[in-house]
Amino acid sequence: KAGVTQTPRYLIKTRGQQVTLSCSPISGHRSVSWYQQTPGQGLQFLFEYFSETQRNKGNFPGRFSGRQFSNSRSEMNVSTLELGDSALYLCASSPGTGKNTEAFFGQGTRLTVV
Amino acid sequence: GESVGLHLPTLSVQEGDNSIINCAYSNSASDYFIWYKQESGKGPQFIIDIRSNMDKRQGQRVTVLLNKTVKHLSLQIAATQPGDSAVYFCAETQAGTALIFGKGTTLSVSS
Repeated sequence: KAGVTQTPRYLIKTRGQQVTLSCSPISGHRSVSWYQQTPGQGLQFLFEYFSETQRNKGNFPGRFSGRQFSNSRSEMNVSTLELGDSALYLCASSPGTGKNTEAFFGQGTRLTVV
Repeated sequence: GESVGLHLPTLSVQEGDNSIINCAYSNSASDYFIWYKQESGKGPQFIIDIRSNMDKRQGQRVTVLLNKTVKHLSLQIAATQPGDSAVYFCAETQAGTALIFGKGTTLSVSS
């Protein structure tokens, strides 16, 4: 069974640009969550999508958005990039139904804003 | 083995020692807890989980203990190996909500 796939692995963008990151969950999983990881703030929850609907949202500005497609693949978008957006962006996949179940993470996308 | 009573950002042990990594969680309503291991350049990897109706769960070389009275979680690694060197995170969640991660402990194993 293939794991969670995130693309691209690395990105360098300039301040003010926008970026789109992609996540393909484990086959059969319907929930995709996104996290931002920085040395200072650790792992912080951005949002979760389940069956193409945003189910939970963290405390990030509106520049951070996401969506999920009918095949459960998800994308997140960051507009008007700031230097502080430099981070490792992680996607986690889980079945999404039933009481809490383990979440599996992808390798992440390392975003550098210059 | 070596253990820490409070959360410390780093833990150094010798190969073969038992390691204990501690974590204090924040929400008394959390009912599901997971330990993750993150190696350099990789995403977090699931190690073991425990539900709030349990106080101990064992895996292969790992044991998780849950003390709901003091909101404390610990991960015990038996016979620590160099390949166990990584950052370890605890995460908590309440049904239907997102995972909340702890600060992480860097485990260094010397041979």
